[in-house]
Amino acid sequence: ETGVTQTPRHLVMGMTNKKSLKCEQHLGHNAMYWYKQSAKKPLELMFVYNFKEQTENNSVPSRFSPECPNSSHLFLHLHTLQPEDSALYLCASSQGPQTSVDEQFFGPGTRLTVL
Amino acid sequence: DAKTTQPPSMDCAEGRAANLPCNHSTISGNEYVYWYRQIHSQGPQYIIHGLKNNETNEMASLIITEDRKSSTLILPHATLRDTAVYYCIVRSYLRTDKLIFGTGTRLQVFP
Repeated sequence: ETGVTQTPRHLVMGMTNKKSLKCEQHLGHNAMYWYKQSAKKPLELMFVYNFKEQTENNSVPSRFSPECPNSSHLFLHLHTLQPEDSALYLCASSQGPQTSVDEQFFGPGTRLTVL
Repeated sequence: DAKTTQPPSMDCAEGRAANLPCNHSTISGNEYVYWYRQIHSQGPQYIIHGLKNNETNEMASLIITEDRKSSTLILPHATLRDTAVYYCIVRSYLRTDKLIFGTGTRLQVFP
């Protein structure tokens, strides 16, 4: 248990569906992140939020829409995805950019399959 | 792009020390060396980090060369649960939110 939870753990969706991934951290952190891990590829940073404000969008297609209503919750809204979007989606949190170490704590991930 | 080079895979006998090398020849003065690992089907886990001095914690030791162009992560007594992909990452203290993962080293600990 890292203090970061993700739901659902597994998701299968069609290309026309709309779904959302949820992440919650119980660590009192101020920064939250979404990463994508495709098969046989390194983890890719998608989005960064600091104090609920988005500070990084790593050229992510608009079919992925993040939402951070507060420092403890992060969502990734999905719509009209493609089969190549099938991957493990990981959420992480950290204290924030003002700290020297800023160790990131990762959740277990959501395994997404797009049919 | 990742700024580190690691061997793709290594083996280690259980109970022996696992020494995982990492090259970061272009590291700059404001960059730390971080190590994370990812056990199969789990999220990555922080292990240790350092700037220029050797570091040790309950999980591992980090040895950084004097010129800072390479480092070695040492797991002193590897167990089967240490089987994972180990990532060496350089990160500026000016942009602590930028964590760029490479392909890492897949460490297999065998009985």
